[in-house]
Amino acid sequence: QVQLQESGPGLVKPSETLSLTCAVSGGSINNNDWWSWVRQPPGKGLEWIGEIFHSGNTNYNPSLKSRVTISVDKSKNQFSLELTSVTAADTAVYYCANYKRRNVNWFDPWGQGTLVTVSS
Amino acid sequence: SSELTQDPAVSVALGQTVRITCQGDSLRSYYPSWYQQKPGQAPVLVIYGEDSRPSGIPDRISGSGSGNKAFLTITGAQAEDEADYYCNSRDTSHNHVLFGGGTKLTVL
Repeated sequence: QVQLQESGPGLVKPSETLSLTCAVSGGSINNNDWWSWVRQPPGKGLEWIGEIFHSGNTNYNPSLKSRVTISVDKSKNQFSLELTSVTAADTAVYYCANYKRRNVNWFDPWGQGTLVTVSS
Repeated sequence: SSELTQDPAVSVALGQTVRITCQGDSLRSYYPSWYQQKPGQAPVLVIYGEDSRPSGIPDRISGSGSGNKAFLTITGAQAEDEADYYCNSRDTSHNHVLFGGGTKLTVL
């Protein structure tokens, strides 16, 4: 059973770069699935950030594309998120998730989420 | 348009049936997936595909759809069904993922 665990700083200063890692256990990141980041500002809904395949192919939310980079480290069985030039609007719980793209698509499982606050 | 629309809030009496709606053009191409989220917890997949449930999801939760609308139905709602529900689909024309704004379900 695949499990995901996010890690990274809980506090980032405005204009700096947010960096998070998602460790994958119980399965290989080299499978036929995509690996995604989703965030949720306090009291608001879910927002897709982007996804990566083990080959390194990526897709990003157009509204964040200029600031986002998702990368994969197959040797460590993990993938990462970088979000540059953060502002208070980037304060959110950040989730990583396994995304299955078949003739239907779904996210399962999800990590527990990690709260990142942007503040000086 | 490239978005999914959900009613912000729905309520249901204990033991009754409730239907949560998701609407968007992408639903003409893909079945959505549905997620239940309780306060302070990560989302949990409850429905994917036409009407498939992961193990552990009760069969009182079901999915259906027609055209550009999809529905999550809870038959005989229980107190533990009170949560936020999100629909999700893929926008194939732009190759990215969409989430609905979420529906807060209150069980009275």
